[in-house]
Amino acid sequence: DAKTTQPNSMESNEEEPVHLPCNHSTISGTDYIHWYRQLPSQGPEYVIHGLTSNVNNRMASLAIAEDRKSSTLILHRATLRDAAVYYCILRDVGNQFYFGTGTSLTVIP
Amino acid sequence: DSGVTQTPKHLITATGQRVTLRCSPRSGDLSVYWYQQSLDQGLQFLIQYYNGEERAKGNILERFSAQQFPDLHSELNLSSLELGDSALYFCASSLRGSSYNEQFFGPGTRLTVL
Repeated sequence: DAKTTQPNSMESNEEEPVHLPCNHSTISGTDYIHWYRQLPSQGPEYVIHGLTSNVNNRMASLAIAEDRKSSTLILHRATLRDAAVYYCILRDVGNQFYFGTGTSLTVIP
Repeated sequence: DSGVTQTPKHLITATGQRVTLRCSPRSGDLSVYWYQQSLDQGLQFLIQYYNGEERAKGNILERFSAQQFPDLHSELNLSSLELGDSALYFCASSLRGSSYNEQFFGPGTRLTVL
């Protein structure tokens, strides 16, 4: 099984950038790296995904290491609404989605 | 609102019983996924359907089964329920079934087995 490792929790001050790390040392060449977040009492919500190159969208940026064994989700300016559990997920060609334990992000006003 | 609907929102039943959870994907999405989220196991992928056919299988118990109907809605059947089956069950949908497709999650069905 492709697996990811994330810190259990992180804190950030409001309006500061947040860098959420993820290790995926067993990633294979065809695995996509996906990030989802889950707000309290809601279903997971897509944030961003990538394969090899860094990616940007309106929510966040994804920085992928050159060897693809790690990646970082970057929230450019954390808001209170960004407080959630962030999951780094590998999706393989078998279409399995492996959610880890995620990182619980606390945003401090 | 993701556009994915799940019914019922809450379900309370007894051990040994059978229940059916229903999911309607976003309009136009062909793929449906089922997940189980419990406190001790986290979020676990159960099964995926694409356009009526099973596409991928995860940690789904033999007591559980699913199907996707011609109108693309899906049902997850849980039988011989045990206390440990109490969990949040999420359905998600995506346009296609590929590994790069974004998934849209529904609000979940909370199952309590007493």
